[in-house]
Amino acid sequence: EPEVTQTPSHQVTQMGQEVILRCVPISNHLYFYWYRQILGQKVEFLVSFYNNEISEKSEIFDDQFSVERPDGSNFTLKIRSTKLEDSAMYFCASLVAETQYFGPGTRLLVL
Amino acid sequence: KQEVTQIPAALSVPEGENLVLNCSFTDSAIYNLQWFRQDPGKGLTSLLLIQSSQREQTSGRLNASLDKSSGRSTLYIAASQPGDSATYLCAQHGSSNTGKLIFGQGTTLQVKP
Repeated sequence: EPEVTQTPSHQVTQMGQEVILRCVPISNHLYFYWYRQILGQKVEFLVSFYNNEISEKSEIFDDQFSVERPDGSNFTLKIRSTKLEDSAMYFCASLVAETQYFGPGTRLLVL
Repeated sequence: KQEVTQIPAALSVPEGENLVLNCSFTDSAIYNLQWFRQDPGKGLTSLLLIQSSQREQTSGRLNASLDKSSGRSTLYIAASQPGDSATYLCAQHGSSNTGKLIFGQGTTLQVKP
């Protein structure tokens, strides 16, 4: 199965700090996504990205969030000023043949 | 609002049993539907994709069906093994086949040796 990679696997930060979560999608994929899963809850969609711009975003994805594809391989999610409620597992995904493939996730803990 | 529901929330079966996991969705204008497996604290592994024009897909001991008219999908696992123990998630493509996935809350399966 194709592989999406994410770094770091775990991150602990203080409330109000900025964090950047990194993803390397499967090469030659064109559609990218971020999701999050708060402990014990459903996986929730955050944002999708195509052709170097956001194609869709959820209500969760407010001004504190941004995404970027700084080069041909990395896809990043930035949270500018973290809140306690941002603590969650964050998953990156990319699409091929109508199937979304997920990375292993970054577990973010905001203290 | 599109919603995906999975029943039961948890299931425990003895090894070797065949079982069915259920997924229902509110939007009959469904695009594709994907089934995933999630091990504790891990990422999501794609198991099967059923395109909206299909009625079922098979991979090994897994068979997934899609009935758009009733708003249901099922994942059938044959001859269950302890290694099948995990949480199984279904997800509906929300607005297009390249759009967001809308997830159910999952069914946590335990297969006892």
